[in-house]
Amino acid sequence: GAVVSQHPSWVICKSGTSVKIECRSLDFQATTMFWYRQFPKQSLMLMATSNEGSKATYEQGVEKDKFLINHASLTLSTLTVTSAHPEDSSFYICSARDVAGVVYEQYFGPGTRLTVT
Amino acid sequence: GENVEQHPSTLSVQEGDSAVIKCTYSDSASNYFPWYKQELGKGPQLIIDIRSNVGEKKDQRIAVTLNKTAKHFSLHITETQPEDSAVYFCAASIIIQAGTALIFGKGTTLSVSS
Repeated sequence: GAVVSQHPSWVICKSGTSVKIECRSLDFQATTMFWYRQFPKQSLMLMATSNEGSKATYEQGVEKDKFLINHASLTLSTLTVTSAHPEDSSFYICSARDVAGVVYEQYFGPGTRLTVT
Repeated sequence: GENVEQHPSTLSVQEGDSAVIKCTYSDSASNYFPWYKQELGKGPQLIIDIRSNVGEKKDQRIAVTLNKTAKHFSLHITETQPEDSAVYFCAASIIIQAGTALIFGKGTTLSVSS
């Protein structure tokens, strides 16, 4: 149980284009999903918290107009990187919190490797 | 702000030896402390967690200890195997604007040689 999927697993795009990453909770409902960014050999940096049916809350320093987050259902959240630039290349990971589970537990997706050329 | 410090950053052991990773947190309100294992190119996987009302928890070869007074918690892996090689992250619960979240340590790269 508690499986989170991400799609795509990797994507290459050109500068100036937009890329959408999907995060799905497969066997549970998630009122809250989190989006992280991870640079090589570094820790996970929380970008934003996504609550179903409401606007995402972004962490300090994260541009909300560049990283658009939508959490339209209890099993799906999307992250859209708009007007991507090479510095946006990174490993993006989502996590989800089971609505019926313990308040702090998070289940992570497998990540999406984004490369902007 | 809140932070979690993790040591060591790298750890090399021989197969069968024990490995210990230590973390210190700053927020006295933290009450949930998970440990994640991340293999190359994959997302983190929860391997064990502990809550503030417990001092120790064990699951087969993995154990976690918590000292709330000192704000320390540690991961202990016994009888290490090559497949334990990965990056391990500790985390602590925090309260943010959006509700509850986790703050992560910087990770420990564990290498188990056979």
